[in-house]
Amino acid sequence: QQQVKQSPQSLIVQKGGISIINCAYENTAFDYFPWYQQFPGKGPALLIAIRPDVSEKKEGRFTISFNKSAKQFSLHIMDSQPGDSATYFCAASFSNYQLIWGAGTKLIIKP
Amino acid sequence: NAGVTQTPKFQVLKTGQSMTLQCAQDMNHEYMSWYRQDPGMGLRLIHYSVGAGITDQGEVPNGYNVSRSTTEDFPLRLLSAAPSQTSVYFCASRTHPGQGSYNEQFFGPGTRLTVL
Repeated sequence: QQQVKQSPQSLIVQKGGISIINCAYENTAFDYFPWYQQFPGKGPALLIAIRPDVSEKKEGRFTISFNKSAKQFSLHIMDSQPGDSATYFCAASFSNYQLIWGAGTKLIIKP
Repeated sequence: NAGVTQTPKFQVLKTGQSMTLQCAQDMNHEYMSWYRQDPGMGLRLIHYSVGAGITDQGEVPNGYNVSRSTTEDFPLRLLSAAPSQTSVYFCASRTHPGQGSYNEQFFGPGTRLTVL
Protein backbone atom coordinates (compact mmCIF):
# COMPACT_ATOMS: atom_id res chain seq x y z
CA GLN A 1 0.00 0.00 0.00
CA GLN A 2 3.00 2.23 0.42
CA GLN A 3 4.35 1.69 -3.08
CA VAL A 4 4.39 4.04 -5.99
CA LYS A 5 4.87 2.16 -9.25
CA GLN A 6 6.48 4.07 -12.09
CA SER A 7 6.72 3.16 -15.76
CA PRO A 8 8.46 2.91 -18.10
CA GLN A 9 11.93 2.37 -16.68
CA SER A 10 13.43 4.08 -19.73
CA LEU A 11 12.03 6.08 -22.61
CA ILE A 12 13.42 7.38 -25.89
CA VAL A 13 11.52 10.17 -27.64
CA GLN A 14 12.29 12.15 -30.75
CA LYS A 15 12.85 15.88 -30.42
CA GLY A 16 9.53 17.66 -30.63
CA GLY A 17 7.56 14.64 -29.52
CA ILE A 18 5.52 14.07 -26.37
CA SER A 19 7.09 12.21 -23.47
CA ILE A 20 4.70 10.43 -21.12
CA ILE A 21 5.66 8.84 -17.80
CA ASN A 22 3.11 7.08 -15.65
CA CYS A 23 2.77 6.38 -11.95
CA ALA A 24 0.26 4.39 -9.94
CA TYR A 25 -0.36 4.29 -6.22
CA GLU A 26 -2.47 2.28 -3.80
CA ASN A 27 -2.83 4.39 -0.67
CA THR A 28 -5.82 6.71 -1.04
CA ALA A 29 -4.50 8.79 1.88
CA PHE A 30 -1.80 10.28 -0.35
CA ASP A 31 -2.53 13.97 -0.85
CA TYR A 32 0.53 15.34 -2.65
CA PHE A 33 2.07 14.10 -5.89
CA PRO A 34 5.31 15.71 -7.05
CA TRP A 35 7.58 15.01 -9.98
CA TYR A 36 11.31 15.50 -9.59
CA GLN A 37 13.86 15.86 -12.38
CA GLN A 38 17.44 14.69 -11.98
CA PHE A 39 20.34 15.41 -14.31
CA PRO A 40 23.47 13.23 -14.22
CA GLY A 41 25.70 14.05 -11.27
CA LYS A 42 23.08 16.25 -9.63
CA GLY A 43 20.49 15.85 -6.95
CA PRO A 44 16.79 15.67 -7.85
CA ALA A 45 14.92 18.97 -8.13
CA LEU A 46 11.20 19.59 -7.92
CA LEU A 47 9.70 19.98 -11.38
CA ILE A 48 5.96 20.17 -10.81
CA ALA A 49 3.47 18.92 -8.22
CA ILE A 50 -0.26 18.40 -7.88
CA ARG A 51 -2.83 17.94 -5.12
CA PRO A 52 -5.74 15.52 -5.66
CA ASP A 53 -8.36 18.25 -5.75
CA VAL A 54 -7.47 19.04 -9.38
CA SER A 55 -7.19 16.74 -12.39
CA GLU A 56 -4.48 18.59 -14.27
CA LYS A 57 -1.71 21.08 -13.65
CA LYS A 58 0.36 22.69 -16.35
CA GLU A 59 3.62 24.59 -16.11
CA GLY A 60 5.07 25.50 -19.47
CA ARG A 61 5.69 22.31 -21.46
CA PHE A 62 5.16 20.09 -18.40
CA THR A 63 1.73 18.81 -17.40
CA ILE A 64 0.61 16.48 -14.63
CA SER A 65 -2.60 14.56 -15.31
CA PHE A 66 -4.24 13.08 -12.22
CA ASN A 67 -6.89 10.36 -12.17
CA LYS A 68 -8.09 9.94 -8.61
CA SER A 69 -10.49 7.07 -9.31
CA ALA A 70 -7.81 5.06 -11.09
CA LYS A 71 -5.15 6.09 -8.56
CA GLN A 72 -2.83 7.10 -11.35
CA PHE A 73 -0.97 10.22 -12.34
CA SER A 74 1.29 10.99 -15.25
CA LEU A 75 3.81 13.51 -16.48
CA HIS A 76 3.51 14.80 -20.02
CA ILE A 77 6.36 16.73 -21.61
CA MET A 78 5.23 18.51 -24.74
CA ASP A 79 7.64 19.44 -27.54
CA SER A 80 10.37 17.40 -25.86
CA GLN A 81 13.86 18.86 -26.17
CA PRO A 82 17.33 17.32 -25.78
CA GLY A 83 17.73 19.41 -22.62
CA ASP A 84 14.84 17.44 -21.09
CA SER A 85 16.99 14.30 -21.11
CA ALA A 86 17.15 13.33 -17.45
CA THR A 87 15.81 10.87 -14.93
CA TYR A 88 12.30 11.63 -13.70
CA PHE A 89 10.89 10.47 -10.39
CA CYS A 90 7.29 10.54 -9.29
CA ALA A 91 6.49 10.52 -5.60
CA ALA A 92 3.56 10.68 -3.22
CA SER A 93 3.07 11.68 0.37
CA PHE A 94 0.40 12.07 3.04
CA SER A 95 0.02 13.76 6.35
CA ASN A 96 3.28 12.50 7.87
CA TYR A 97 5.09 14.18 5.02
CA GLN A 98 7.36 11.30 4.08
CA LEU A 99 7.72 11.06 0.34
CA ILE A 100 7.27 7.62 -1.20
CA TRP A 101 9.27 7.47 -4.42
CA GLY A 102 8.82 5.73 -7.72
CA ALA A 103 11.80 3.86 -9.18
CA GLY A 104 12.55 6.52 -11.81
CA THR A 105 12.40 6.83 -15.59
CA LYS A 106 15.45 7.61 -17.67
CA LEU A 107 14.32 9.84 -20.51
CA ILE A 108 16.43 10.36 -23.61
CA ILE A 109 15.38 12.89 -26.21
CA LYS A 110 16.94 12.19 -29.60
CA PRO A 111 17.80 15.26 -31.70
CA ASN B 1 22.76 31.12 -0.37
CA ALA B 2 24.50 27.79 -1.07
CA GLY B 3 21.39 25.62 -0.46
CA VAL B 4 22.26 22.06 0.53
CA THR B 5 25.94 21.12 0.41
CA GLN B 6 27.48 17.66 0.75
CA THR B 7 31.03 16.49 1.20
CA PRO B 8 32.85 14.55 -0.07
CA LYS B 9 31.64 14.17 -3.67
CA PHE B 10 33.35 10.80 -4.05
CA GLN B 11 34.68 8.28 -1.54
CA VAL B 12 36.16 4.80 -1.73
CA LEU B 13 36.22 2.71 1.43
CA LYS B 14 37.39 -0.75 2.32
CA THR B 15 35.00 -3.16 4.00
CA GLY B 16 34.89 -2.48 7.73
CA GLN B 17 36.04 1.13 7.56
CA SER B 18 33.91 3.89 9.04
CA MET B 19 33.30 7.37 7.74
CA THR B 20 31.00 10.37 8.00
CA LEU B 21 29.18 11.98 5.12
CA GLN B 22 28.67 15.66 5.75
CA CYS B 23 25.53 17.63 4.95
CA ALA B 24 24.78 21.28 5.61
CA GLN B 25 22.00 23.66 4.62
CA ASP B 26 21.75 27.44 4.96
CA MET B 27 18.00 27.80 4.39
CA ASN B 28 17.05 27.43 8.07
CA HIS B 29 15.04 24.31 7.23
CA GLU B 30 13.88 22.26 10.15
CA TYR B 31 13.46 19.01 8.27
CA MET B 32 16.48 17.15 6.88
CA SER B 33 16.84 13.66 5.51
CA TRP B 34 19.29 11.20 4.00
CA TYR B 35 18.51 9.01 1.01
CA ARG B 36 20.41 6.41 -0.90
CA GLN B 37 19.88 6.00 -4.63
CA ASP B 38 20.49 2.69 -6.33
CA PRO B 39 19.74 1.81 -9.98
CA GLY B 40 16.11 0.82 -10.50
CA MET B 41 15.18 1.42 -6.86
CA GLY B 42 14.48 5.12 -6.71
CA LEU B 43 15.32 7.00 -3.53
CA ARG B 44 15.17 5.16 -0.24
CA LEU B 45 15.00 7.05 3.03
CA ILE B 46 17.74 6.18 5.53
CA HIS B 47 17.19 8.61 8.40
CA TYR B 48 15.50 11.92 8.88
CA SER B 49 15.29 14.74 11.41
CA VAL B 50 12.47 17.17 12.15
CA GLY B 51 14.70 19.53 14.11
CA ALA B 52 17.85 19.83 16.18
CA GLY B 53 18.09 16.96 18.64
CA ILE B 54 15.37 14.89 16.95
CA THR B 55 16.09 12.05 14.55
CA ASP B 56 14.21 9.00 13.37
CA GLN B 57 14.70 5.97 11.15
CA GLY B 58 13.54 5.70 7.59
CA GLU B 59 13.12 2.69 5.33
CA VAL B 60 16.74 1.43 5.33
CA PRO B 61 18.49 2.59 8.55
CA ASN B 62 20.68 -0.45 9.30
CA GLY B 63 24.39 0.29 9.25
CA TYR B 64 23.93 4.05 9.49
CA ASN B 65 23.80 6.55 12.35
CA VAL B 66 22.79 10.19 12.39
CA SER B 67 22.75 13.07 14.82
CA ARG B 68 21.42 16.62 14.61
CA SER B 69 23.09 19.02 16.99
CA THR B 70 22.35 22.15 14.95
CA THR B 71 19.68 23.21 12.47
CA GLU B 72 22.30 23.51 9.72
CA ASP B 73 24.14 20.18 9.90
CA PHE B 74 23.01 16.58 9.55
CA PRO B 75 25.93 14.14 9.21
CA LEU B 76 25.48 10.50 8.24
CA ARG B 77 27.85 7.96 9.78
CA LEU B 78 28.68 4.59 8.33
CA LEU B 79 29.74 2.46 11.25
CA SER B 80 31.41 -0.46 9.46
CA ALA B 81 31.18 -0.14 5.70
CA ALA B 82 29.93 -3.08 3.64
CA PRO B 83 29.85 -3.55 -0.16
CA SER B 84 26.03 -3.38 0.04
CA GLN B 85 26.41 0.26 1.05
CA THR B 86 27.92 1.15 -2.31
CA SER B 87 25.49 3.79 -3.53
CA VAL B 88 24.91 7.46 -4.18
CA TYR B 89 23.84 9.29 -1.06
CA PHE B 90 21.70 12.40 -1.10
CA CYS B 91 20.93 14.78 1.69
CA ALA B 92 17.76 16.86 1.46
CA SER B 93 16.06 19.57 3.46
CA ARG B 94 12.69 21.28 3.48
CA THR B 95 10.64 23.69 5.47
CA HIS B 96 8.51 22.40 8.26
CA PRO B 97 5.12 21.23 7.01
CA GLY B 98 2.75 24.17 6.91
CA GLN B 99 5.37 26.77 6.07
CA GLY B 100 6.01 27.89 2.52
CA SER B 101 5.86 25.45 -0.40
CA TYR B 102 4.11 22.26 0.44
CA ASN B 103 6.67 19.59 1.04
CA GLU B 104 9.24 20.65 -1.59
CA GLN B 105 12.55 19.05 -0.81
CA PHE B 106 15.86 20.58 -1.78
CA PHE B 107 18.61 18.08 -2.51
CA GLY B 108 22.35 18.30 -2.27
CA PRO B 109 24.60 17.20 -5.15
CA GLY B 110 25.21 13.76 -3.69
CA THR B 111 28.12 11.64 -2.50
CA ARG B 112 29.12 8.64 -4.61
CA LEU B 113 30.39 5.95 -2.25
CA THR B 114 32.14 2.74 -3.26
CA VAL B 115 32.88 0.06 -0.69
CA LEU B 116 35.42 -2.55 -1.78
